[in-house]
Amino acid sequence: AQTIHQWPVAEIKAVGSPLSLGCTIKGKSSPNLYWYWQATGGTLQQLFYSITVGQVESVVQLNLSASRPKDDQFILSTEKLLLSHSGFYLCAWSLTGVRDTQYFGPGTRLLVL
Amino acid sequence: GQQVKQSSPSLTVQEGGISILNCDYENDMFDYFAWYKKYPDNSPTLLISVRSNVDKREDGRLTVFLNKSGKHFSLHITASQPEDTAVYLCAAGAANMQQGTGSKLSFGKGAKLTVSP
Repeated sequence: AQTIHQWPVAEIKAVGSPLSLGCTIKGKSSPNLYWYWQATGGTLQQLFYSITVGQVESVVQLNLSASRPKDDQFILSTEKLLLSHSGFYLCAWSLTGVRDTQYFGPGTRLLVL
Repeated sequence: GQQVKQSSPSLTVQEGGISILNCDYENDMFDYFAWYKKYPDNSPTLLISVRSNVDKREDGRLTVFLNKSGKHFSLHITASQPEDTAVYLCAAGAANMQQGTGSKLSFGKGAKLTVSP
């Protein structure tokens, strides 16, 4: 069975500090991977997607970056957090492209102060 | 602007009734339409999806209706049950979109369905 794990579960960070959120998928090789973000009371927005190791496409510009260093790992990061980065970050995977079922991880809640 | 809109943020239905959730979209290039269900403190899970080459798909108590000319799709839940109470997110997407957006899935804001006993 496939499992998706995100870390950390929650984080409180200062404005201007760096951030690194992680996501790993076990039990599935070469998945398509996605990062989503939802501000409190807002809409779930797709930020990045990756179809293979080393390849990441940006969908929404939020002063964040993403990398896929391994087949089963997706990292979301920034060197300087903004207040507007607060929210809920979800990682997801699918077998093929966006028209396939997306399986979401448990999410990371981020508060920037 | 928001490409997928759920105009009604909440809906209450009596147990046994039909729940109808609606979604409007803007982008003509969307060719995939889906409904996700989300319980509090849980992540969204796919309920049902449909491609643009059909205008209806049924799966048990769930039916998705797609109106391409009206850029509208809906989810009908028959014989609604209290366990159907959740937030329902509609989503639309297309692979290989132009303008560098690639494979993007756009979500609506969600609508809370409450099924009362």
